[in-house]
Amino acid sequence: DAGITQSPRHKVTETGTPVTLRCHQTENHRYMYWYRQDPGHGLRLIHYSYGVKDTDKGEVSDGYSVSRSKTEDFLLTLESATSSQTSVYFCAIKGGRAENTIYFGEGSWLTVV
Amino acid sequence: DQQVKQNSPSLSVQEGRISILNCDYTNSMFDYFLWYKKYPAEGPTFLISISSIKDKNEDGRFTVFLNKSAKHLSLHIVPSQPGDSAVYFCAAGSNQFYFGTGTSLTVIP
Repeated sequence: DAGITQSPRHKVTETGTPVTLRCHQTENHRYMYWYRQDPGHGLRLIHYSYGVKDTDKGEVSDGYSVSRSKTEDFLLTLESATSSQTSVYFCAIKGGRAENTIYFGEGSWLTVV
Repeated sequence: DQQVKQNSPSLSVQEGRISILNCDYTNSMFDYFLWYKKYPAEGPTFLISISSIKDKNEDGRFTVFLNKSAKHLSLHIVPSQPGDSAVYFCAAGSNQFYFGTGTSLTVIP
């Protein structure tokens, strides 16, 4: 358990609406990540953060924005949700039991209808 | 273009035998290589890692081998158990980590 909490765990939303997923960590890790998992694509990095207000794009960042105003919270926002953003979203942190290793939260299932 | 590839979508092995899962990467600058196990409806669980300065790391039944010249790593599970049946992902990176598409392992009792 890496002390990661994702919310909401499940959400159904309509196309065109904004959606924010929250990742909360309790262990003061510097690096936080958002991934999405889709069949045939594995886990793909959306955005990551290396400190408060320090973020960078990953492999599939189009249509997503992130914010990190506190060490413990990393927010992922879909400004205008599309059906192609239906996916499972995983937050992760770097550190913990094994150095230079990332640990995942339990996932947020998002369906855009 | 994918930086980390797992070319075998699935693998079946008999209980007690060795499972070998393979992974290839393209970026020689990656410092760390990781393996994860994933069950449906759960987050990936870290299994074992290796840094680029090593060529082997063992943890119980799990051993990871790294061949930097071939840009290839493999995960060996010995002996395989039915509870090992899951999807296995390899990952590589330093601060950004890139994942393969996964290999579904089935261990047959």
